[in-house]
Amino acid sequence: GEDVEQSLFLSVREGDSSVINCTYTDSSSTYLYWYKQEPGAGLQLLTYIFSNMDMKQDQRLTVLLNKKDKHLSLRIADTQTGDSAIYFCAESMLYGNKLVFGAGTILRVKS
Amino acid sequence: DSGVTQTPKHLITATGQRVTLRCSPRSGDLSVYWYQQSLDQGLQFLIQYYNGEERAKGNILERFSAQQFPDLHSELNLSSLELGDSALYFCASSGGTGGTSINFGPGTRLTVT
Repeated sequence: GEDVEQSLFLSVREGDSSVINCTYTDSSSTYLYWYKQEPGAGLQLLTYIFSNMDMKQDQRLTVLLNKKDKHLSLRIADTQTGDSAIYFCAESMLYGNKLVFGAGTILRVKS
Repeated sequence: DSGVTQTPKHLITATGQRVTLRCSPRSGDLSVYWYQQSLDQGLQFLIQYYNGEERAKGNILERFSAQQFPDLHSELNLSSLELGDSALYFCASSGGTGGTSINFGPGTRLTVT
């Protein structure tokens, strides 16, 4: 079945890089997503990667996908206090299209 | 701003009551999704509509129903409310039936007392 797992908490210093990890079980996943949720706010789509890609970079964000190990990571370079939030990894398939979310990783950035 | 709007932002109601949550998808998007976020269950997919038709169903209770109207806005109806239905309800939209960019609205916080 579908399952997405993430570590629950990550604490980094301002200016350092953050790496948030995610593993998924469904090998037929087509798209993998990263969403950010700030306190009291909705889900902001950060980036997504198609399953035939290994890497995607978007400004300070780098997504790495290891399809063999079903492992996805999000690297945030030069982490700022404004990056403090909950980060959700999610997978979907092309058709039928529900997103299956992980439990979220709380990122705390210390100044 | 994702372009997805939801009303109301907050809703407080009593057990046994019925409420309707409303969602307007981003301009041009044909698919609408509903999700529930609670502390114990996390983010759970409820239901998806594409251009007015139900496309996929998730963990949606029988007391809950949804529809998508010809103008593509969607409503989620929750009836016989229980304390455990208290949660954040998100609507999301995307351009097609498949993946790519799925954008979420700000959510409706439902509190059942």
